[in-house]
Amino acid sequence: ETGVTQTPRHLVMGMTNKKSLKCEQHLGHNAMYWYKQSAKKPLELMFVYSLEERVENNSVPSRFSPECPNSSHLFLHLHTLQPEDSALYLCASSQDHRSGEKLFFGSGTQLSVL
Amino acid sequence: GESVGLHLPTLSVQEGDNSIINCAYSNSASDYFIWYKQESGKGPQFIIDIRSNMDKRQGQRVTVLLNKTVKHLSLQIAATQPGDSAVYFCAEDSSASKIIFGSGTRLSIRP
Repeated sequence: ETGVTQTPRHLVMGMTNKKSLKCEQHLGHNAMYWYKQSAKKPLELMFVYSLEERVENNSVPSRFSPECPNSSHLFLHLHTLQPEDSALYLCASSQDHRSGEKLFFGSGTQLSVL
Repeated sequence: GESVGLHLPTLSVQEGDNSIINCAYSNSASDYFIWYKQESGKGPQFIIDIRSNMDKRQGQRVTVLLNKTVKHLSLQIAATQPGDSAVYFCAEDSSASKIIFGSGTRLSIRP
């Protein structure tokens, strides 16, 4: 285990559903991230939080809404998703969001949008 | 934009042999490089890293080599074992841009 826990591990949802992904890190890190991993594509950075403040938003559609209530928890709220949003969503944390810090990943949530 | 690429998408290695996974990067300003291993059903796991002021770094059974002249990074795994089967990602980082991941190389082990 890396110290980053994601729930649920698998999620199937319809395009009209609302669901949330949860991430919790037990490493005392200050930065948390959401990444999207699609088949045969590099990891895509979605959001970066540092000390509960969003420091980066990589032009992600508004149907993805992050929330960081404290430095240990990160959520990704999903609403009216499209089938092309089906992917593995990975949460990660690092000591801080500066360069040169290694990322610690959770096991991901495998999302299928029907 | 900057990109990180891998020379081969798949690599098959005989158990017990050494594995070499290659990676090319294009941002000459990148100063930190990381290798991750992702097993099926799991998230990427940190293996080893190297900063641009070094050209070689060794861990347990793994060695990372950095050639800044040709912007090339490699991961060497000694005495490859079945548990080494996974997808391996390289990533580059710099103070001027966010971390960029490669597409990954799938390593399979022949018994």
